[in-house]
Order: sequence, then C-alpha cells, then structure tokens
Amino acid sequence: QSALTQPRSVSGSPGQSVTISCTGTSSDVGGYNYVSWYQQHPGKVPKLMIYDVSKRPSGVPDRFSGSKSGNTASLTISGLQAEDEADYYCCSFAGSPYVFGTGTEVTVL
Amino acid sequence: EVQLVESGGGSVQPGGSLRLSCAASGFTFSSYWMHWVRQAPGKGLVWVSRIYTDGSRVSYADSVEGRFTVSRDNAQNTVYLQMNSLKADDTAVYFCVRGDVRGYFVDNWGQGTLVTVSS
Repeated sequence: QSALTQPRSVSGSPGQSVTISCTGTSSDVGGYNYVSWYQQHPGKVPKLMIYDVSKRPSGVPDRFSGSKSGNTASLTISGLQAEDEADYYCCSFAGSPYVFGTGTEVTVL
Repeated sequence: EVQLVESGGGSVQPGGSLRLSCAASGFTFSSYWMHWVRQAPGKGLVWVSRIYTDGSRVSYADSVEGRFTVSRDNAQNTVYLQMNSLKADDTAVYFCVRGDVRGYFVDNWGQGTLVTVSS
C-alpha cells in the first residue's frame, strides 16, 4: 500500500492549463477505472473534483478534467483561476484498500 | 445536505486507546460505505479503514491492521473507529468520509477530529 506518486508542486499563470500526474501500479491505478481527485484549500476539508477517472460531480467546473493511461492518471485544470490554488490529491481503489497520492500543491502565479 | 460530525479526538499517551465517533445525517446512512481517512499535521491524506453498509465487510490500511477496529450502528446513524495501541505516528486529524454506493471512491467529508499521541 505505497502512496501514489504525484509531483510536489505545479504552477501556472491565470488562464493557462496545468496537469497533475498520479502514478501507481497495475494493482491500483492501472487495474481499475476508479481514480478520484480531491482539492484541499489550507485548513479546509477535501472536496471531490473527479471520480471514475474522468467524471465530474455536480457543481465542479468543466475546466477540471481527468484521464488515465496505463498506471498513470492525470488531472488537468484548464483556464487556471486564482481560486484553484490549493493542494490536490489523487486516490485509487485498489481491490480492498484505497490509496491516496502524495499530494500536489498548485500555485497560481 | 450531507453532514458528518466527528467526535472523540484528544490527547493520549503511546499505547493508549481512543474511540472516535461520527454522526451522520442528511442521507440514508445504511445504504453507504463509510470510511476513515487521516492527515498528519502538514502531511497528505492517508486512507485508514472502510466498512460496508451492514458492517459485514471491513478493511484496513496495513499501518493500522490489528490495532484499529471500525464498526457502525445504522439505528444511530453512527460509525466508530476504536483505536488501540496508539503510536506517535497515529497523530493526525481523522476524517469520517462517506463512500459512494458502489464502494469505489469517497465523496462527502466531515470536519475531522484531532488525535494527538504523545508522552
């Protein structure tokens, strides 16, 4: 049950796109189409942004999108906005346990 | 509106025990998986445990297996986490989180309760 690997930080200017990768193994990310992504602002509770690799819950802007290829999932934020500055975590179902990613800090320049 | 309210956190010495509770409202509690996720100060999210709708299936992270026990009372809309043999590494905010009905992701989070293990 090793944590999924995410870049420590990514940054972009307002309006730009950023992509966060989430690398696991064939036992988690690569084995199931059940990757989810969470946004967490400092001192706040995590918020579900993407589930089932690429589906958005009601109320999440469509500039957030998810994808997966092999053992790596990705979250793309298009048209970056100031309020997108936060920590982002991926999560994968892994048969019985779940495993979260190491987390990525997104900075809006 | 889904509401999850944790309680029971606090300070405990290494080797001690604590029981966390999570009171749920705003949804049909008995239809959903429930999870516990923790976050050490300044660190990332770590999945801890989950329990099936009727309590018949449970699973744990390797780091807490044999020390923590998850349970639920559907009549009281409450899920519990009994934590024994606590270690300093268990120090974290513990979140109660609702799972989706299929059991493949988590969606709604409580505000969390802080557990501090220190001598």
